[in-house]
Amino acid sequence: KNEVEQSPQNLTAQEGEFITINCSYSVGISALHWLQQHPGGGIVSLFMLSSGKKKHGRLIATINIQEKHSSLHITASHPRDSAVYICAVGGTSYGKLTFGQGTILTVHP
Amino acid sequence: NAGVTQTPKFQVLKTGQSMTLQCAQDMNHEYMSWYRQDPGMGLRLIHYSVGAGITDQGEVPNGYNVSRSTTEDFPLRLLSAAPSQTSVYFCASRRGWSSGNTIYFGEGSWLTVV
Repeated sequence: KNEVEQSPQNLTAQEGEFITINCSYSVGISALHWLQQHPGGGIVSLFMLSSGKKKHGRLIATINIQEKHSSLHITASHPRDSAVYICAVGGTSYGKLTFGQGTILTVHP
Repeated sequence: NAGVTQTPKFQVLKTGQSMTLQCAQDMNHEYMSWYRQDPGMGLRLIHYSVGAGITDQGEVPNGYNVSRSTTEDFPLRLLSAAPSQTSVYFCASRRGWSSGNTIYFGEGSWLTVV
Protein backbone atom coordinates (compact mmCIF):
# COMPACT_ATOMS: atom_id res chain seq x y z
CA LYS A 1 0.00 0.00 0.00
CA ASN A 2 1.39 3.40 -0.97
CA GLU A 3 1.98 5.80 1.88
CA VAL A 4 0.15 8.53 -0.02
CA GLU A 5 -3.04 7.77 -1.93
CA GLN A 6 -4.85 10.27 -4.13
CA SER A 7 -8.36 10.00 -5.48
CA PRO A 8 -9.65 10.13 -8.05
CA GLN A 9 -6.80 9.29 -10.42
CA ASN A 10 -8.62 10.98 -13.30
CA LEU A 11 -11.26 13.68 -13.12
CA THR A 12 -13.20 15.34 -15.91
CA ALA A 13 -15.36 18.39 -15.27
CA GLN A 14 -17.30 21.06 -17.10
CA GLU A 15 -16.26 24.65 -16.75
CA GLY A 16 -17.77 26.18 -13.65
CA GLU A 17 -18.06 22.98 -11.64
CA PHE A 18 -16.80 22.59 -8.07
CA ILE A 19 -13.94 20.09 -7.91
CA THR A 20 -12.54 18.08 -5.03
CA ILE A 21 -9.33 16.03 -5.05
CA ASN A 22 -8.53 13.88 -2.05
CA CYS A 23 -5.26 12.78 -0.46
CA SER A 24 -4.91 10.17 2.29
CA TYR A 25 -1.69 9.23 3.97
CA SER A 26 -0.69 6.49 6.35
CA VAL A 27 2.23 7.96 8.28
CA GLY A 28 2.69 10.80 10.71
CA ILE A 29 3.61 13.97 8.95
CA SER A 30 4.93 17.41 9.66
CA ALA A 31 3.57 19.04 6.50
CA LEU A 32 1.49 18.36 3.42
CA HIS A 33 1.98 20.00 0.04
CA TRP A 34 -0.32 20.41 -2.92
CA LEU A 35 1.47 20.84 -6.24
CA GLN A 36 0.31 21.54 -9.80
CA GLN A 37 1.92 20.22 -12.97
CA HIS A 38 0.80 21.40 -16.40
CA PRO A 39 1.35 19.09 -19.40
CA GLY A 40 4.97 19.19 -20.48
CA GLY A 41 5.72 21.72 -17.81
CA GLY A 42 7.30 22.11 -14.47
CA ILE A 43 5.79 21.63 -11.04
CA VAL A 44 4.65 24.53 -8.90
CA SER A 45 3.71 24.64 -5.26
CA LEU A 46 0.10 25.60 -4.53
CA PHE A 47 -0.13 25.11 -0.78
CA MET A 48 1.76 23.89 2.24
CA LEU A 49 -0.43 22.81 5.16
CA SER A 50 0.31 21.60 8.65
CA SER A 51 -3.20 22.16 10.00
CA GLY A 52 -6.56 23.71 9.15
CA LYS A 53 -7.36 25.36 5.88
CA LYS A 54 -5.77 27.70 3.33
CA LYS A 55 -7.33 29.63 0.47
CA HIS A 56 -5.76 31.23 -2.58
CA GLY A 57 -8.12 32.62 -5.17
CA ARG A 58 -10.42 29.81 -6.31
CA LEU A 59 -8.32 27.13 -4.62
CA ILE A 60 -8.94 25.88 -1.10
CA ALA A 61 -6.90 23.25 0.71
CA THR A 62 -7.88 21.56 3.96
CA ILE A 63 -6.20 19.02 6.18
CA ASN A 64 -7.48 16.78 8.98
CA ILE A 65 -4.46 15.54 10.91
CA GLN A 66 -6.44 13.05 13.03
CA GLU A 67 -7.98 11.41 9.97
CA LYS A 68 -4.74 11.67 7.92
CA HIS A 69 -6.63 13.26 5.05
CA SER A 70 -6.42 16.39 2.94
CA SER A 71 -8.60 17.82 0.20
CA LEU A 72 -7.96 20.31 -2.57
CA HIS A 73 -11.04 22.16 -3.80
CA ILE A 74 -11.35 24.26 -6.93
CA THR A 75 -14.37 26.53 -7.13
CA ALA A 76 -15.75 27.70 -10.48
CA SER A 77 -13.32 25.50 -12.42
CA HIS A 78 -11.84 26.78 -15.68
CA PRO A 79 -10.10 25.01 -18.58
CA ARG A 80 -6.80 26.58 -17.48
CA ASP A 81 -7.10 24.51 -14.27
CA SER A 82 -6.50 21.38 -16.38
CA ALA A 83 -3.33 19.88 -14.95
CA VAL A 84 -2.01 17.11 -12.75
CA TYR A 85 -2.45 17.83 -9.05
CA ILE A 86 0.03 16.14 -6.74
CA CYS A 87 -0.13 15.64 -3.00
CA ALA A 88 3.15 15.27 -1.10
CA VAL A 89 3.68 14.64 2.59
CA GLY A 90 6.72 15.51 4.61
CA GLY A 91 7.82 13.43 7.54
CA THR A 92 10.49 14.02 10.08
CA SER A 93 13.14 11.89 8.34
CA TYR A 94 15.64 14.37 6.88
CA GLY A 95 12.76 16.44 5.55
CA LYS A 96 11.97 13.94 2.82
CA LEU A 97 8.77 14.20 0.85
CA THR A 98 6.62 11.26 -0.25
CA PHE A 99 4.49 11.92 -3.31
CA GLY A 100 1.13 10.65 -4.41
CA GLN A 101 0.64 9.44 -7.97
CA GLY A 102 -1.23 12.57 -8.96
CA THR A 103 -4.76 13.36 -10.13
CA ILE A 104 -5.23 14.26 -13.78
CA LEU A 105 -7.85 17.00 -14.04
CA THR A 106 -9.43 17.98 -17.34
CA VAL A 107 -11.87 20.87 -17.41
CA HIS A 108 -13.92 21.25 -20.60
CA PRO A 109 -15.31 24.59 -21.76
CA ASN B 1 15.29 35.60 -9.68
CA ALA B 2 15.41 32.71 -12.12
CA GLY B 3 14.44 30.17 -9.44
CA VAL B 4 15.56 26.62 -10.26
CA THR B 5 17.14 26.15 -13.68
CA GLN B 6 17.64 22.71 -15.21
CA THR B 7 19.47 21.79 -18.38
CA PRO B 8 19.12 20.15 -20.81
CA LYS B 9 15.36 20.04 -21.37
CA PHE B 10 15.55 17.03 -23.67
CA GLN B 11 18.29 14.44 -24.17
CA VAL B 12 18.60 11.13 -25.99
CA LEU B 13 21.41 8.84 -24.87
CA LYS B 14 22.68 5.49 -26.04
CA THR B 15 23.00 2.68 -23.52
CA GLY B 16 26.31 2.95 -21.74
CA GLN B 17 26.85 6.66 -22.35
CA SER B 18 27.30 9.05 -19.46
CA MET B 19 25.90 12.52 -19.03
CA THR B 20 25.26 15.22 -16.46
CA LEU B 21 21.99 16.98 -15.78
CA GLN B 22 22.68 20.46 -14.52
CA CYS B 23 20.69 22.19 -11.79
CA ALA B 24 21.20 25.66 -10.40
CA GLN B 25 19.19 27.80 -7.99
CA ASP B 26 19.60 31.47 -7.12
CA MET B 27 17.56 31.55 -3.91
CA ASN B 28 20.40 30.56 -1.55
CA HIS B 29 18.51 27.41 -0.56
CA GLU B 30 20.29 24.87 1.56
CA TYR B 31 18.22 21.85 0.51
CA MET B 32 18.40 20.57 -3.07
CA SER B 33 17.14 17.31 -4.46
CA TRP B 34 16.71 15.27 -7.61
CA TYR B 35 13.57 13.28 -8.42
CA ARG B 36 12.52 11.08 -11.26
CA GLN B 37 8.94 10.87 -12.49
CA ASP B 38 7.70 7.74 -14.21
CA PRO B 39 4.20 6.97 -15.55
CA GLY B 40 1.84 5.72 -12.85
CA MET B 41 4.29 6.46 -10.06
CA GLY B 42 4.81 9.40 -7.80
CA LEU B 43 7.99 11.41 -7.85
CA ARG B 44 10.82 9.39 -6.36
CA LEU B 45 13.85 10.84 -4.63
CA ILE B 46 17.20 10.00 -6.20
CA HIS B 47 19.68 12.05 -4.15
CA TYR B 48 19.50 15.09 -1.96
CA SER B 49 21.79 17.63 -0.36
CA VAL B 50 21.39 19.74 2.77
CA GLY B 51 24.26 22.07 1.98
CA ALA B 52 27.53 22.46 0.12
CA GLY B 53 29.68 19.37 0.56
CA ILE B 54 26.83 17.27 2.01
CA THR B 55 24.87 14.76 -0.07
CA ASP B 56 22.90 11.61 0.67
CA GLN B 57 20.98 8.91 -1.13
CA GLY B 58 17.24 8.85 -1.64
CA GLU B 59 14.96 5.97 -2.61
CA VAL B 60 16.43 5.17 -6.05
CA PRO B 61 20.12 6.20 -6.10
CA ASN B 62 21.60 3.34 -8.11
CA GLY B 63 23.23 4.47 -11.36
CA TYR B 64 23.38 8.13 -10.32
CA ASN B 65 26.00 10.32 -8.67
CA VAL B 66 25.74 13.82 -7.26
CA SER B 67 28.03 16.43 -5.80
CA ARG B 68 27.43 19.81 -4.17
CA SER B 69 30.49 21.99 -4.38
CA THR B 70 28.53 25.25 -4.11
CA THR B 71 25.20 26.28 -2.61
CA GLU B 72 23.87 27.12 -6.08
CA ASP B 73 24.66 23.99 -8.10
CA PHE B 74 23.62 20.36 -7.74
CA PRO B 75 24.45 18.31 -10.86
CA LEU B 76 23.17 14.76 -11.37
CA ARG B 77 25.48 12.37 -13.21
CA LEU B 78 24.38 9.24 -15.01
CA LEU B 79 27.44 7.02 -15.00
CA SER B 80 26.46 4.42 -17.62
CA ALA B 81 22.97 5.05 -18.96
CA ALA B 82 20.47 2.20 -19.07
CA PRO B 83 17.00 2.07 -20.69
CA SER B 84 15.51 1.86 -17.16
CA GLN B 85 16.76 5.42 -16.62
CA THR B 86 14.42 6.75 -19.30
CA SER B 87 12.35 9.18 -17.28
CA VAL B 88 11.58 12.81 -16.54
CA TYR B 89 13.96 14.30 -14.02
CA PHE B 90 13.19 17.20 -11.73
CA CYS B 91 15.53 19.20 -9.60
CA ALA B 92 14.06 20.97 -6.59
CA SER B 93 15.20 23.25 -3.83
CA ARG B 94 13.87 24.69 -0.60
CA ARG B 95 15.08 26.69 2.35
CA GLY B 96 16.39 24.63 5.24
CA TRP B 97 15.71 21.10 6.40
CA SER B 98 12.05 21.33 7.18
CA SER B 99 9.62 19.61 4.85
CA GLY B 100 7.25 22.41 5.77
CA ASN B 101 9.03 24.97 3.62
CA THR B 102 7.85 25.76 0.10
CA ILE B 103 9.57 23.63 -2.50
CA TYR B 104 10.61 25.01 -5.89
CA PHE B 105 11.00 22.76 -8.91
CA GLY B 106 12.87 23.13 -12.16
CA GLU B 107 11.10 22.72 -15.50
CA GLY B 108 12.16 19.09 -15.86
CA SER B 109 14.55 17.18 -18.11
CA TRP B 110 13.16 14.53 -20.46
CA LEU B 111 15.74 11.76 -20.86
CA THR B 112 15.44 8.84 -23.25
CA VAL B 113 17.99 6.02 -23.20
CA VAL B 114 17.97 3.82 -26.31
